[in-house]
Amino acid sequence: KQEVTQIPAALSVPEGENLVLNCSFTDSAIYNLQWFRQDPGKGLTSLLLIQSSQREQTSGRLNASLDKSSGRSTLYIAASQPGDSATYLCAVSRDAGNNRKLIWGLGTSLAVNP
Amino acid sequence: NAGVTQTPKFRVLKTGQSMTLLCAQDMNHEYMYWYRQDPGMGLRLIHYSVGEGTTAKGEVPDGYNVSRLKKQNFLLGLESAAPSQTSVYFCASSYSRQGGYEQYFGPGTRLTVT
Repeated sequence: KQEVTQIPAALSVPEGENLVLNCSFTDSAIYNLQWFRQDPGKGLTSLLLIQSSQREQTSGRLNASLDKSSGRSTLYIAASQPGDSATYLCAVSRDAGNNRKLIWGLGTSLAVNP
Repeated sequence: NAGVTQTPKFRVLKTGQSMTLLCAQDMNHEYMYWYRQDPGMGLRLIHYSVGEGTTAKGEVPDGYNVSRLKKQNFLLGLESAAPSQTSVYFCASSYSRQGGYEQYFGPGTRLTVT
């Protein structure tokens, strides 16, 4: 059974710091991995989607990497800003035929302090 | 372009009452999903739909029913609410893109059952 773990559960950093959020999964047979952002009381916003054949994806100050063999993904946030404060969730999909079903981590709650 | 909208935003029910949550999307997406989010449990898929007139069970379907009579709407019904159904409910929709299905989320409905 696929399980997704995110460490740490919470993180507090000063503004301007570069940081890394971690996501690990137990079954390497994934189709893709997605990173989402959730603001308090709000829905989720998709940040990056990495296909299983890819090693990384970039969007602005965000870079997500994927290492299927070790069951790991990292989300790198460069030059963090207070506006980056949110909960970051990762989710994996199992296979191409069933990839509409995502398995979710519990998230990392990030606070960026001015 | 409103994206994914959900009504209502908040609701308090008494045990045994029924209600329907409405999700609407204006992106012409084929796939739609209902999730619930509980502290310490992460997001769990309740039901989903791969097209107008179709529905399928997710991880936690018991106590819920759904309908997709129109492509843009996905309804979640609780026939006899129970305190265990107190949660935040999220609707999402997705389209097919190379490498997977990027999901777009609504703002959520906070439901309390007393």
